[in-house]
Amino acid sequence: KQEVTQIPAALSVPEGENLVLNCSFTDSAIYNLQWFRQDPGKGLTSLLLIQSSQREQTSGRLNASLDKSSGRSTLYIAASQPGDSATYLCAVRFGSGGGADGLTFGKGTHLIIQP
Amino acid sequence: GAVVSQHPSRVICKSGTSVKIECRSLDFQATTMFWYRQFPKQSLMLMATSNEGSKATYEQGVEKDKFLINHASLTLSTLTVTSAHPEDSSFYICSARDRRGPMNTEAFFGQGTRLTVV
Repeated sequence: KQEVTQIPAALSVPEGENLVLNCSFTDSAIYNLQWFRQDPGKGLTSLLLIQSSQREQTSGRLNASLDKSSGRSTLYIAASQPGDSATYLCAVRFGSGGGADGLTFGKGTHLIIQP
Repeated sequence: GAVVSQHPSRVICKSGTSVKIECRSLDFQATTMFWYRQFPKQSLMLMATSNEGSKATYEQGVEKDKFLINHASLTLSTLTVTSAHPEDSSFYICSARDRRGPMNTEAFFGQGTRLTVV
């Protein structure tokens, strides 16, 4: 069964710290991996998309890495701010890129940045 | 990026009634649309996939007669929760993908619908 696991489930850190969120997946045959942010009661905001052929992607203070062989991805957040508080979701598109492939989501990491 | 609009954002309905949720791609043709459900403190779970010109494919454990999906056009998909019960209360969110050209890479998500059945 294809599964996505995120660790930790929750994290609370003081403002300004650098932090790493972890995602692991059970099948290395992935098409791409995507990190999302979800605010309470809201939809999803796409943060970074990594294709299976890529090792990392960067956007501002965010950096996501991908190691297919070990089935892992990390989301690195630099110089965290209170506005970064949200739930971060890792989602994997398994398969070879067929148009009908949905995403398999982890349960998320609930992040709180203390002012 | 592409925009997907989902409506309504919140709905409260009585047990036994039906509720329709709309998902529209505003600036691209969505040849594939996906419906997900998220229960509290759980991950988003794929319910069904619909492709242009064909019936929806439902994930194991999802009742197709209860959750009616109609990919009415290349820019609109609807999810109808029939004879809703309190256990159907959840967050429903759609995503859309254009599998033609470079937009095949990413699926774009709507804002989600919070359904409460009382």
